[in-house]
Amino acid sequence: NAGVTQTPKFRVLKTGQSMTLLCAQDMNHEYMYWYRQDPGMGLRLIHYSVGEGTTAKGEVPDGYNVSRLKKQNFLLGLESAAPSQTSVYFCASSSNLAKNIQYFGAGTRLSVL
Amino acid sequence: AQTVTQSQPEMSVQEAETVTLSCTYDTSESDYYLFWYKQPPSRQMILVIRQEAYKQQNATENRFSVNFQKAAKSFSLKISDSQLGDAAMYFCAYLKGAQKLVFGQGTRLTINP
Repeated sequence: NAGVTQTPKFRVLKTGQSMTLLCAQDMNHEYMYWYRQDPGMGLRLIHYSVGEGTTAKGEVPDGYNVSRLKKQNFLLGLESAAPSQTSVYFCASSSNLAKNIQYFGAGTRLSVL
Repeated sequence: AQTVTQSQPEMSVQEAETVTLSCTYDTSESDYYLFWYKQPPSRQMILVIRQEAYKQQNATENRFSVNFQKAAKSFSLKISDSQLGDAAMYFCAYLKGAQKLVFGQGTRLTINP
């Protein structure tokens, strides 16, 4: 059972570089989310999507863009990476029928030098 | 805005003993969900237990149970018969609707053999 898959698992960027994190879920979930986790803190919501073609801002959206062109995929983009974006990024998804349960991917550790 | 507070950065317990992790939250809503997530060193976020605010009965999942005090806005997790595999970061989280989980700062639980 794949569930929620995030790629890549690790990445090192230089300041100013761009990259895209991919999240894929095979559970036919309508809702998808991107969180970041900084040391000593819980997860904070960056952006989320309530369905294909829709996106919305979360708690900490600045410096990130997202797209949901296909229901199963949710992309997180960093156009010009900054050291403050060094973090662990988690993707999650949930069903329209059980919105309160979110299933998480294994995370992507990103370092921006 | 909703906030979640975990006042115990670290806890330790002897194997086979019982430990309680504390969580308080702030909300003006009457209908919401509360969760405990476990994050082992693998980084995977694992749902341990959830509580629906409109239910007075405390949730239980095998060795894990909660003490939900709605008026006091308190949601503690009790782990009975602690096992080495229970060692992890534990996060308390609040959810209203399908939009975002609000996480506490986490409690690192150590199990002493």
